[in-house]
Amino acid sequence: RKEVEQDPGPFNVPEGATVAFNCTYSNSASQSFFWYRQDCRKEPKLLMSVYSSGNEDGRFTAQLNRASQYISLLIRDSKLSDSATYLCVVSAGTASKLTFGTGTRLQVTL
Amino acid sequence: DAMVIQNPRYQVTQFGKPVTLSCSQTLNHNVMYWYQQKSSQAPKLLFHYYDKDFNNEADTPDNFQSRRPNTSFCFLDIRSPGLGDAAMYLCATSRENRDQPQHFGDGTRLSIL
Repeated sequence: RKEVEQDPGPFNVPEGATVAFNCTYSNSASQSFFWYRQDCRKEPKLLMSVYSSGNEDGRFTAQLNRASQYISLLIRDSKLSDSATYLCVVSAGTASKLTFGTGTRLQVTL
Repeated sequence: DAMVIQNPRYQVTQFGKPVTLSCSQTLNHNVMYWYQQKSSQAPKLLFHYYDKDFNNEADTPDNFQSRRPNTSFCFLDIRSPGLGDAAMYLCATSRENRDQPQHFGDGTRLSIL
């Protein structure tokens, strides 16, 4: 079993749609959780941290379920510019290391 | 702006010819990382420095070495690049705090002839 698992997609959605990505992780000692966005042939960029209480940043909402070891990202009112790969990232149980999922690709179309 | 800078953006080298990739940061972060990322794959951690302490991943080939002469700079040396080493190499930094995310440079895309 992979340490961080994501549906690779691609998710093809029309502009304005709501789309949700899921991620599961295997290390119950993980303490930190993030969503990163990566555009084609570019570096990963932090989208948002994920907190136990859930958090929202504009059109983006992240949720964490520690009991199920499950993380989600919801994007409302999708824009063309949201097209990218979304990486689920989890701490590796030690303070400094992170484990990356392989990413879920999103394509928003007109 | 404070940032993580990688040079060069694109590097072409010959099979077996040593190559060095560089990374600098103005964030004054304790921890610096080198990742290898191939197409459609997750970034794979090669090693990281916690201040001056070097931490190698168990499956990182001996062909890959690193140096961190000071807080701001970190280098990735590939002693004898093979065709399988063609990839994007990403440098990242973070504070030592457990909850802090990592900040990435633009990456160096390495091609092997």
